[in-house]
Amino acid sequence: DTGVSQDPRHKITKRGQNVTFRCDPISEHNRLYWYRQTLGQGPEFLTYFQNEAQLEKSRLLSDRFSAERPKGSFSTLEIQRTEQGDSAMYLCASSLSGWNEQFFGPGTRLTVL
Amino acid sequence: AQKVTQAQTEISVVEKEDVTLDCVYETRDTTYYLFWYKQPPSGELVFLIRRNSFDEQNEISGRYSWNFQKSTSSFNFTITASQVVDSAVYFCALGHTGANSKLTFGKGITLSVRP
Repeated sequence: DTGVSQDPRHKITKRGQNVTFRCDPISEHNRLYWYRQTLGQGPEFLTYFQNEAQLEKSRLLSDRFSAERPKGSFSTLEIQRTEQGDSAMYLCASSLSGWNEQFFGPGTRLTVL
Repeated sequence: AQKVTQAQTEISVVEKEDVTLDCVYETRDTTYYLFWYKQPPSGELVFLIRRNSFDEQNEISGRYSWNFQKSTSSFNFTITASQVVDSAVYFCALGHTGANSKLTFGKGITLSVRP
């Protein structure tokens, strides 16, 4: 399977704990995006990488969120001190440069108790 | 500001009926891209089509067709002879100009196709 993969698929955590998600993009894609999707809504943009550089962060991304893409390959999204409002599906997508379509992974569903 | 409106929230049809999913967008950009994605119950978003703002030709792919009208800022999606496997949430999205090409999604339309 050469699509976008995400790990874990599901995460249940208690409020206040830290969680980290991983995304492996399609290998030749240099752009990587993180989106968040809550129930009944479309995905909302969180942040974007071009290779290893994080070039844009949404105002949705509070100080408790951090994302990295070391060496321009996989990416991690960490949420510190989780809150119940962080419960959502976290989607990763990758694309080639320019106006190419983004291919999405299966998502990580986070539940904060 | 960029905005995508999918006014229909849920549509239910009987198999073999044709169904049209509406999408209206707002943007001040002169160059932009529009997309449709399908999200089946498994949850993974599946890319269906990309259309750039310079190309208003309608497109047909099998049972799927898309009608892009710049004058009304609409990019509607029609499924002909619907099938149960078409049951999913369908999202219309607008691509931003600029370096990041991030997508602004509508809220999605839940399509249920009954046998």
